[in-house]
Amino acid sequence: SQTIHQWPATLVQPVGSPLSLECTVEGTSNPNLYWYRQAAGRGLQLLFYSVGIGQISSEVPQNLSASRPQDRQFILSSKKLLLSDSGFYLCAWDQALGTAEAFFGQGTRLTVV
Amino acid sequence: ILNVEQSPQSLHVQEGDSTNFTCSFPSSNFYALHWYRWETAKSPEALFVMTLNGDEKKKGRISATLNTKEGYSYLYIKGSQPEDSATYLCAFRQGGKLIFGQGTELSVKP
Repeated sequence: SQTIHQWPATLVQPVGSPLSLECTVEGTSNPNLYWYRQAAGRGLQLLFYSVGIGQISSEVPQNLSASRPQDRQFILSSKKLLLSDSGFYLCAWDQALGTAEAFFGQGTRLTVV
Repeated sequence: ILNVEQSPQSLHVQEGDSTNFTCSFPSSNFYALHWYRWETAKSPEALFVMTLNGDEKKKGRISATLNTKEGYSYLYIKGSQPEDSATYLCAFRQGGKLIFGQGTELSVKP
């Protein structure tokens, strides 16, 4: 069966520090991979979308970047965190079929202080 | 990115009440509409994936309808229970990507 792992679960980082959140998927190959963020009082905002290794679509101009060094690994990074980067980050995967449901990681609560 | 809109933003009902909420999405180039339930301290989980105009799906006390021509979907909960309290998200597939609405936060009081 397929599983998705996301870590860390919580993170408190000072302004200006770097960030690295990691997500890995098991039990499937060539998944679509997503990074979403839930800011306070809002739904899920799509940050990055990837259909394959090295193929990243950035949806929202911001202080973050993403990389996909392996087929089932997706990394969210920042060189210098801003206060506005605080939020709840979710990694997700699905197959390249429009009717396929998405599966989510457990999420990372990031607080920038 | 075209918007996916959900209403209301939040809803408070009593146990036993039936309720419904709306998801509006672009009616052009429709491919699929998803509904997810997101409970506190858990990950979002899929309820329905709907693809055909006029589609109706049901899972227990929860059902959903789809109108692709006018670009909306309704989610219904019959006889709400406290365990139905969650945020309900709809998502529209656009260019392969899943675009989510802002969600409807449902609170069911015993």
